[in-house]
Amino acid sequence: RKEVEQDPGPFNVPEGATVAFNCTYSNSASQSFFWYRQDCRKEPKLLMSVYSSGNEDGRFTAQLNRASQYISLLIRDSKLSDSATYLCVVNTFSGNTPLVFGKGTRLSVIA
Amino acid sequence: SQTIHQWPATLVQPVGSPLSLECTVEGTSNPNLYWYRQAAGRGLQLLFYSVGIGQISSEVPQNLSASRPQDRQFILSSKKLLLSDSGFYLCAWERTGLSGYTFGSGTRLTVV
Repeated sequence: RKEVEQDPGPFNVPEGATVAFNCTYSNSASQSFFWYRQDCRKEPKLLMSVYSSGNEDGRFTAQLNRASQYISLLIRDSKLSDSATYLCVVNTFSGNTPLVFGKGTRLSVIA
Repeated sequence: SQTIHQWPATLVQPVGSPLSLECTVEGTSNPNLYWYRQAAGRGLQLLFYSVGIGQISSEVPQNLSASRPQDRQFILSSKKLLLSDSGFYLCAWERTGLSGYTFGSGTRLTVV
């Protein structure tokens, strides 16, 4: 089983739609979780951290289910500018062990 | 505020030539530093990481090496480039183990 798995997509949705991405991780000892956004030919940028209680930032909501070992990202009222690849990221161990990046889910928001 | 610089932005090099990519971080001390490579249409592959001066961990055997001569400087090198070394090279830093990474703007390397 891969450490971090994501549906590669692409997800093609109309403007204004709600879209959800899921990500599963293999190590139950994982401690920190993030969603990154990567635009075409650009560097990944931190979108939001994922907290155990779930967290929201505007149109974006992230949730963590430790029992099932998955993380989700919900985008409401999709904008054209949301088109990008969304990377699920997990810290598999504590301390200085590198983060593990999923391969990403591609989203295209269509007018 | 903290910033990370990578250069050059693009590079075209012939097979067999050497490579040196530099990454520097400003506004922080003792950062953890990382080199990633992303092949076209693929995910991020961790190449090297460093938790301090002179401390380098290699994730995959390859044609590349890394060095950290100063606290905020991380260098990726190769003595002889291969076609398969082409890709998007990204440097990243983090303040602690739980804060996520900040990436530089990357170097797009094409080996011809």
